[in-house]
Amino acid sequence: GENVEQHPSTLSVQEGDSAVIKCTYSDSASNYFPWYKQELGKRPQLIIDIRSNVGEKKDQRIAVTLNKTAKHFSLHITETQPEDSAVYFCAASIGGSYIPTFGRGTSLIVHP
Amino acid sequence: DVKVTQSSRYLVKRTGEKVFLECVQDMDHENMFWYRQDPGLGLRLIYFSYDVKMKEKGDIPEGYSVSREKKERFSLILESASTNQTSMYLCASRKQGAITHEAFFGQGTRLTVV
Repeated sequence: GENVEQHPSTLSVQEGDSAVIKCTYSDSASNYFPWYKQELGKRPQLIIDIRSNVGEKKDQRIAVTLNKTAKHFSLHITETQPEDSAVYFCAASIGGSYIPTFGRGTSLIVHP
Repeated sequence: DVKVTQSSRYLVKRTGEKVFLECVQDMDHENMFWYRQDPGLGLRLIYFSYDVKMKEKGDIPEGYSVSREKKERFSLILESASTNQTSMYLCASRKQGAITHEAFFGQGTRLTVV
């Protein structure tokens, strides 16, 4: 089955810095890559996703890039703010089932 | 707004008890999932259901079973709870075939088995 590796497990940045979280996947058939944000004590929520026919997608301060050849995708957060502090999960899914396999998560801490 | 509601926020059960975790969604979603969340291990899929009365094993189904008798409700059952099942359990639902494949999560049930 699909295997998703996520790095780093913890990321600490100063407010205003950029943050990058990287994921790799194993199955070249994967074609949908969502990112979820889980604030402390809250449920995970989708923040951005990308499909395999697109190389990059942006939404205000967040962006996701996908390299199908290398089988990796990344989340980029610019001008980080304390409210960006959360656990971020990447995921990958295959074909019509679209059952996502999640990475282990990255705890992002933004220091004021 | 999609609402996915789990019946309990916190549960404490004894070893050997049969435990029921309930999840209800109000948006007529076909797909429902049960995940287990442990520090450093991320979200691991226990069981999922494509639609009513359907169920499929996920990555870690051992010690668990599920029930989907109605479209809006997906129950996770721990047949005989053990201490290694102490964890956060998250339910999710998703519209089959939607343009967006977003999964909507419940607030989680933190289960402690003593």
